[in-house]
Amino acid sequence: GDSVTQMEGPVTLSEEAFLTINCTYTATGYPSLFWYVQYPGEGLQLLLKATKADDKGSNKGFEATYRKETTSFHLEKGSVQVSDSAVYFCALRGDNYGQNFVFGPGTRLSVLP
Amino acid sequence: KAGVTQTPRYLIKTRGQQVTLSCSPISGHRSVSWYQQTPGQGLQFLFEYFSETQRNKGNFPGRFSGRQFSNSRSEMNVSTLELGDSALYLCASSPGTQSNQPQHFGDGTRLSIL
Repeated sequence: GDSVTQMEGPVTLSEEAFLTINCTYTATGYPSLFWYVQYPGEGLQLLLKATKADDKGSNKGFEATYRKETTSFHLEKGSVQVSDSAVYFCALRGDNYGQNFVFGPGTRLSVLP
Repeated sequence: KAGVTQTPRYLIKTRGQQVTLSCSPISGHRSVSWYQQTPGQGLQFLFEYFSETQRNKGNFPGRFSGRQFSNSRSEMNVSTLELGDSALYLCASSPGTQSNQPQHFGDGTRLSIL
C-alpha cells in the first residue's frame, strides 16, 4: 500500500537558520502531496499542497516541490522563526477510487532564539 | 467560514465504559475522516465517511465505530474502553473524496481512560 517516510527528528535549529525536512513516498499512480503543521494543543493545519509532478506548493515562507522521479516532497524554509516550532506531517492521497489519506510519522521542529 | 468543530474537547472515562465523540464538518464538506493520535503510534486512520456511507476503515477493532448523518455531521463511538484508547481523536473534513482536496482538521477530543 501507499506509504510516507519522513525524518522523525527532533530537529533543533537556531532562529534564521535554513530548514529542510525530508519526505519520500511510495504510491501507485499520481497522488496528491501535502504538508501539515500541528502546534501544541491543536489539530493539524494545512501548510501547502502539490497535486501533480513538478508543482511547487508554497505558504508562509515554506515551500516544497513534487518530484516524481525521486518520489520526494521535501519541505524547505529559508529562515525559520521561533514561532515555526511545531510538528510537521507529510501526507499523500492516491488518485485511485477509495484511497484514504496516508500520513508520515511527523517531524518535531524546535527553533531556539 | 467556521472550521471543523469537535465536541467535547476533553473527556475522562474509566475502563469498560463507552464514549461518543462528535464532529461538525466545514459547511458544504461531505467527507469526514477520523484519526487516533498517540505519542507512540503517531496518526492512525480510523475511518472515512462520505454521504453517510463508510468508504474506508483502518485497522482498528470492532469496538470503534462511526456514522455520518444527512447533514454530514459525524460521530464515532468506542465501546468497552481500554487504557490504550487514551489518545487525541481528530476529525477532518473535505469537500469530497478527490485526491487533490486537502482535509481540514478540528482541534480534537482528548480522551483519557482511568
